[in-house]
Amino acid sequence: QQPVQSPQAVILREGEDAVINCSSSKALYSVHWYRQKHGEAPVFLMILLKGGEQKGHEKISASFNEKKQQSSLYLTASQLSYSGTYFCGTETPGSQGNLIFGKGTKLSVKP
Amino acid sequence: GAGVSQSPSNKVTEKGKDVELRCDPISGHTALYWYRQSLGQGLEFLIYFQGNSAPDKSGLPSDRFSAERTGGSVSTLTIQRTQQEDSAVYLCASSLYLRAPITFGSGTRLTVV
Repeated sequence: QQPVQSPQAVILREGEDAVINCSSSKALYSVHWYRQKHGEAPVFLMILLKGGEQKGHEKISASFNEKKQQSSLYLTASQLSYSGTYFCGTETPGSQGNLIFGKGTKLSVKP
Repeated sequence: GAGVSQSPSNKVTEKGKDVELRCDPISGHTALYWYRQSLGQGLEFLIYFQGNSAPDKSGLPSDRFSAERTGGSVSTLTIQRTQQEDSAVYLCASSLYLRAPITFGSGTRLTVV
């Protein structure tokens, strides 16, 4: 039931792009994305509710492919402030609101 | 309040003792969540409340764990007869309604010695 995130970790240089994937073995109702910096609480980035929907937050966007039961987070022209651990949280139909998070993807952006 | 407030921020307890962790959600938020995060690990779902009721308690790790929410506001997570494996950061979060963006508190770091 826990979504699978890939990669587990990624190191970028400032200005490079990255993609983080989130896959589920079950049909999805929604996908949430959060970022957690070291020693801090996770912070909301975006929610995707419809199949094929794409949303954006600064230079961070995401897509949700309902058919493939997966979501991808796109980080373009990465900045040092993007460093942190990214979590996807998924909700399945009938889950009564349970939001289950993946194990996270650690992103490190170097100068 | 302005954010989700958790207390205490740190708790060291002896193995076998009971502990209570408190969460004060953002005013007006109807949904409240509890998660556990072990060192360097992901966010383990424990339980969530819609109002005062918890539709699904299956995420609680054992019967030593219980949670309640009163008045649609403050929630308490209780761990009885604590074990060393209970050591983790316990995060509370709330949202305006079910399936809305959730705001996390800063967590309670529990250490069982």
